[in-house]
Amino acid sequence: ELKVEQNPLFLSMQEGKNYTIYCNYSTTSDRLYWYRQDPGKSLESLFVLLSNGAVKQEGRLMASLDTKARLSTLHITAAVHDLSATYFCAVISSGSARQLTFGSGTQLTVLP
Amino acid sequence: EAGVAQSPRYKIIEKRQSVAFWCNPISGHATLYWYQQILGQGPKLLIQFQNNGVVDDSQLPKDRFSAERLKGVDSTLKIQPAKLEDSAVYLCASSPNRGRTGELFFGEGSRLTVL
Repeated sequence: ELKVEQNPLFLSMQEGKNYTIYCNYSTTSDRLYWYRQDPGKSLESLFVLLSNGAVKQEGRLMASLDTKARLSTLHITAAVHDLSATYFCAVISSGSARQLTFGSGTQLTVLP
Repeated sequence: EAGVAQSPRYKIIEKRQSVAFWCNPISGHATLYWYQQILGQGPKLLIQFQNNGVVDDSQLPKDRFSAERLKGVDSTLKIQPAKLEDSAVYLCASSPNRGRTGELFFGEGSRLTVL
């Protein structure tokens, strides 16, 4: 059974600071997603990472994937208040159904 | 392009009552998913349809939950009878990739409170 673990679960940071969210998964996978969720809203896709060493950047967010270590990171550069949200990583299982399994999420609060 | 539509957005019922949620996926998307998101947790897959066939329902509590996708388009998720622990947001998602799970597009969700 595929397990996806994120840490930290809660992150409070000041504007202008940098930080990294980690996502570990337990079995082989070839596709990893990062989603953002604002309170009371649905999930918004941020990144799709398809191969080992993949790196994608959008604004102040950068995601990377190391399939050998079964690890993805979401790096936040010079945080701003608008980035406050919950961030989920999700991993595709390798079985025939190819389920998308989510981590527990990282609740990010950016303080002024 | 219209997104994934869900209704109702909010529902409050008492335990042992029944409830149904409706989902209309993005036009042309073959794969449809229902996820349950309990407060403070990540979404958990309940059931996955490919057109009108079930691909995976291993995590669906079949004694009380049922889902169908008639004609391979709209889908309904029913809970009968509801329990307190069913309080959650029920998210519907759809994906255009036949036979593979590509990017999922999520609806706004239906928030269920069971009293």
